Amino acid sequence: GENVEQHPSTLSVQEGDSAVIKCTYSDSASNYFPWYKQELGKRPQLIIDIRSNVGEKKDQRIAVTLNKTAKHFSLHITETQPEDSAVYFCAPGEYGNKLVFGAGTILRVKS
Amino acid sequence: NAGVTQTPKFQVLKTGQSMTLQCAQDMNHEYMSWYRQDPGMGLRLIHYSVGAGITDQGEVPNGYNVSRSTTEDFPLRLLSAAPSQTSVYFCASSRQQGAYEQYFGPGTRLTVT
Repeated sequence: GENVEQHPSTLSVQEGDSAVIKCTYSDSASNYFPWYKQELGKRPQLIIDIRSNVGEKKDQRIAVTLNKTAKHFSLHITETQPEDSAVYFCAPGEYGNKLVFGAGTILRVKS
Repeated sequence: NAGVTQTPKFQVLKTGQSMTLQCAQDMNHEYMSWYRQDPGMGLRLIHYSVGAGITDQGEVPNGYNVSRSTTEDFPLRLLSAAPSQTSVYFCASSRQQGAYEQYFGPGTRLTVT
């Protein structure tokens, strides 16, 4: 089955700095690469995703980059704000296969 | 659309009791799944279903049963509750399995004493 690892497990940044979280996966057949954000006491929600035919996708302050050869993808958050503080999960997937979520990265933005 | 709904929001059980966590979605999604989330941990898959009448086990299925008699509903049954089942339970649905956005319910916080 798919083995998914996220790094780092915890990340503290100053408000206004950038944050990068990396997700490594093992199944070379994976073709869908999402990132979910979970605020304290809330449900996880999708914030950005990318498919394997695209190398990068941006949505305002967040972006996802994919390196299929090395089997990893990353979440980039620029100009971080206190409301970006949350747990972030990756969940690489393939049509027809069950999803495996990464263990999560706690992001703390200090103001 | 209500999206994915779960009941109850909170539940306290005694060891050995049984109960059913309800999950429903109104998006006509084929794929539904149950996760548990323990403090400081990620989302672990309990059971999932790729359509009405079809269910399968995830990473941590022991102590739980599911059924899927309709597209909309996917209840999770705890057969004989144990303190190790104290957790937050999330139901999720997506258009199909694997490569689609997961929509999560609000969660059920379960405590087993």
